[in-house]
Amino acid sequence: DIQLSQSPSTLSASVGDRVSVTCRASQNINNWLAWYQQKPGKAPKLLIYLASSLERGVPSRFSGSGSGTEFTLTISSLQPEDFATYYCQHYYSSSRYTFGQGTKVEIK
Amino acid sequence: EVRLVESGGGLVQPGRSLRLSCEASGFIFDDYAMHWVRQAPGKGLEWVSGINWNSDIVDYADSVKGRFIVSRDNAKNFLYLQMNSLRPEDTASYYCVKVGELGATIYYYFDSWGQGTLVTVSS
Repeated sequence: DIQLSQSPSTLSASVGDRVSVTCRASQNINNWLAWYQQKPGKAPKLLIYLASSLERGVPSRFSGSGSGTEFTLTISSLQPEDFATYYCQHYYSSSRYTFGQGTKVEIK
Repeated sequence: EVRLVESGGGLVQPGRSLRLSCEASGFIFDDYAMHWVRQAPGKGLEWVSGINWNSDIVDYADSVKGRFIVSRDNAKNFLYLQMNSLRPEDTASYYCVKVGELGATIYYYFDSWGQGTLVTVSS
């Protein structure tokens, strides 16, 4: 199975900061990668699919980039409602789904 | 608006069975593959099982293969997860999820999630 490794595990930042989360795949997954945001006690929410496509209704301060084995989720200007845990997920057809271990973005 | 509502969770003893249900609305249910994803308390997300639109294709995580059975009733807009031989490590919130694309495979990103139903396996 394909493994995904996210870094950092925890990120401390302030409102207005530009933050980035990295997701590395153990093998080439082209651009079959999604990013989700999860707040405590809530279900995850899709932010980005196909590595860089913004889901409808998601603020444009969120962006995704990368292909192959290295991917990045960037929040251009962190807002109070963005403090949450972020997960990457691959959906490479020939292999089962895997999620990254998560990155918690907390208030500095 | 897509709505996914899970039910059937609860406290169950190790070795027993439980069936989860997910009622779907707000989209053409039999157009889309559906999946179950779980999350143990305080832990990350784990994909459990998926099924394509007409039940021809099903797949399971190794951790549940041979114990869990996914199924769907397109006439009623329901997704199910039959969980047998439950173990303490199956304790988690179970989410019903819809894929975001139409296609031949079941492996797409998840664009809609239910609120989850908690399963606790303990004696």
